[in-house]
Amino acid sequence: QVQLVESGGGVVQPGRSLRLSCIASGFTFSSYGMHWVRQAPGKGLEWVALLSFDESKTYYADSVKGRFTISRDIPKNTLTLHMNTLGPEDSAVYYCAKVALPAVKAPSLCGMDVWGQGTTVIVS
Amino acid sequence: QSVLTQPPSASGSPGQRVTISCSGSSSNIGSNFVYWYQQLPGAAPKLLIYRNDQRPSGVPDRFSGSKSGSAASLAISGLRSEDEADYFCSAWDDSLSGGVFGGGTKLTVL
Repeated sequence: QVQLVESGGGVVQPGRSLRLSCIASGFTFSSYGMHWVRQAPGKGLEWVALLSFDESKTYYADSVKGRFTISRDIPKNTLTLHMNTLGPEDSAVYYCAKVALPAVKAPSLCGMDVWGQGTTVIVS
Repeated sequence: QSVLTQPPSASGSPGQRVTISCSGSSSNIGSNFVYWYQQLPGAAPKLLIYRNDQRPSGVPDRFSGSKSGSAASLAISGLRSEDEADYFCSAWDDSLSGGVFGGGTKLTVL
């Protein structure tokens, strides 16, 4: 079955960097776009970034643009989020999520279906 | 302040029908598909509704979605105790070139 497993979270000092990983299984990783979404403690969901299935397009929330980079390694079935210049406002559970439909470029069609269990980032 | 507006809470008794609203604008709900997610306490979100009104396999038909103009709604009929969760709406926003979520609605089954 489709499974996403995040890792890489932890406690990091303000201004430092961190790299999150999401290992995918159970589907053809190269055929699907992928998202990162975060949730601060006790708060709602905040969309962070989207990578199109063919890696031709990346989209970022204004709050992370210029600091975060989404990428993937297809042979390793791994999605990555590189996070630089972290601040306390970046503290959250970070989820990776798979786009529901294969081979779609239009971002309006890139809703998420399967989510990972999340990895926690604390900037302090 | 979330781009999509949801009521912070909703409630109903077992067996009742509850509706959760999600209000947006022409740049998001008005021109793109709406998705709904359920988040049980301590768990990751789960897709409930995609493309405004479609249910993934495995989601009971007690859950239904609709959209009209720049607003959407999620209806839950035959309310059960296990439906107690947070519900989030989501859409793509063409002006922001990014995804947007509602602030979430905490559903309590009385």
